[in-house]
Amino acid sequence: SAVISQKPSRDICQRGTSLTIQCQVDSQVTMMFWYRQQPGQSLTLIATANQGSEATYESGFVIDKFPISRPNLTFSTLTVSNMSPEDSSIYLCSAMGRGRPSYNEQFFGPGTRLTVL
Amino acid sequence: GENVEQHPSTLSVQEGDSAVIKCTYSDSASNYFPWYKQELGKRPQLIIDIRSNVGEKKDQRIAVTLNKTAKHFSLHITETQPEDSAVYFCAASSNGGADGLTFGKGTHLIIQP
Repeated sequence: SAVISQKPSRDICQRGTSLTIQCQVDSQVTMMFWYRQQPGQSLTLIATANQGSEATYESGFVIDKFPISRPNLTFSTLTVSNMSPEDSSIYLCSAMGRGRPSYNEQFFGPGTRLTVL
Repeated sequence: GENVEQHPSTLSVQEGDSAVIKCTYSDSASNYFPWYKQELGKRPQLIIDIRSNVGEKKDQRIAVTLNKTAKHFSLHITETQPEDSAVYFCAASSNGGADGLTFGKGTHLIIQP
């Protein structure tokens, strides 16, 4: 399986500020995604990070709030902009497409725990 | 969009017994169904997956079944052990997962010694 790392692992931020989360995969992958998981709850897909083009956002998530970059096949960033306490959550990146037989398998990073005061 | 329902939300079984978790999905275009195990404070880990051209898949004590007609799939864990205690999530996706995953709400599996 792919090794995925995220930075920072956790942060406490003031409302109105922005935080950029980095996701690094140890090998080239086809797809990268960003999810949000509120404590004790399930995972919700935020967007697909497309290499070299704008991310594809799910309903309820917009680029102005969650700008995403993916400059190459191993790296992506998610920015949480103009934060409010409702943005407090765990943000996880995932990757898939390392080649058969694991092509469909989606592997997750360790997550970034964000607290907004 | 896709909607995935998962039941039960909590399941308590005696060690050594079997556990079954059930999920239903709404989008007939979904063709990839993974199951993840998440221990407290850790990342979700893929434990088994199934594609829509397969009705059943087994890996040691874990099996998954898929009924495309009824749009439901289930996780079966046999001979449960204390280390099986965790939250389990089912998910569904079209395009083999390339459209991202829609997750169920999760099942907290408790193995009683």
